[in-house]
Amino acid sequence: GENVEQHPSTLSVQEGDSAVIKCTYSDSASNYFPWYKQELGKGPQLIIDIRSNVGEKKDQRIAVTLNKTAKHFSLHITETQPEDSAVYFCAAEYQGAQKLVFGQGTRLTINP
Amino acid sequence: DTAVSQTPKYLVTQMGNDKSIKCEQNLGHDTMYWYKQDSKKFLKIMFSYNNKELIINETVPNRFSPKSPDKAHLNLHINSLELGDSAVYFCASSPIQGHKLFFGSGTQLSVL
Repeated sequence: GENVEQHPSTLSVQEGDSAVIKCTYSDSASNYFPWYKQELGKGPQLIIDIRSNVGEKKDQRIAVTLNKTAKHFSLHITETQPEDSAVYFCAAEYQGAQKLVFGQGTRLTINP
Repeated sequence: DTAVSQTPKYLVTQMGNDKSIKCEQNLGHDTMYWYKQDSKKFLKIMFSYNNKELIINETVPNRFSPKSPDKAHLNLHINSLELGDSAVYFCASSPIQGHKLFFGSGTQLSVL
């Protein structure tokens, strides 16, 4: 079925430390995996995405890794800052249905 | 300037009423969506339209009726509102079905 599992549901790290959020998906045909950041009172905003022909992608302090064999992908945020505090969502495209299915979200808190 | 705009931002209404939420995008995208975010922050797709044609219709009660007068607009009409309809409803658009969604800022619907 269409399922994206995301862990942990909450994550608290000290400012300057790294944060890692992990997701697994069920459809081996999925080829597109975006990550969204949602701040309080706002809509989700795309921060990084990766396609299945790439194992890793980096954009400044944010990186995403993908293991297609194991069907899991992860978001890595290094040198965390207070403004990184938000809810983060992973998603996977289910090609048969041409839609994004989202994980349950991770509430990330950066402690000063 | 706003890429995906939806109105109203807040909607408080009584059970049994009918209400509409409007959405407009100025990104030139062909695909638009409605997502529902419940109190646990879970994001679930309701509908998607591609160039005014309905593509995805998840198992949503038929009290919910989307309408796309043109590819830049996707409105959501809800009949006979129920308590369980209380949620945040997000409109989104994308250049390709299922890829790189841009979300609006949401409409918080409260049914009393």
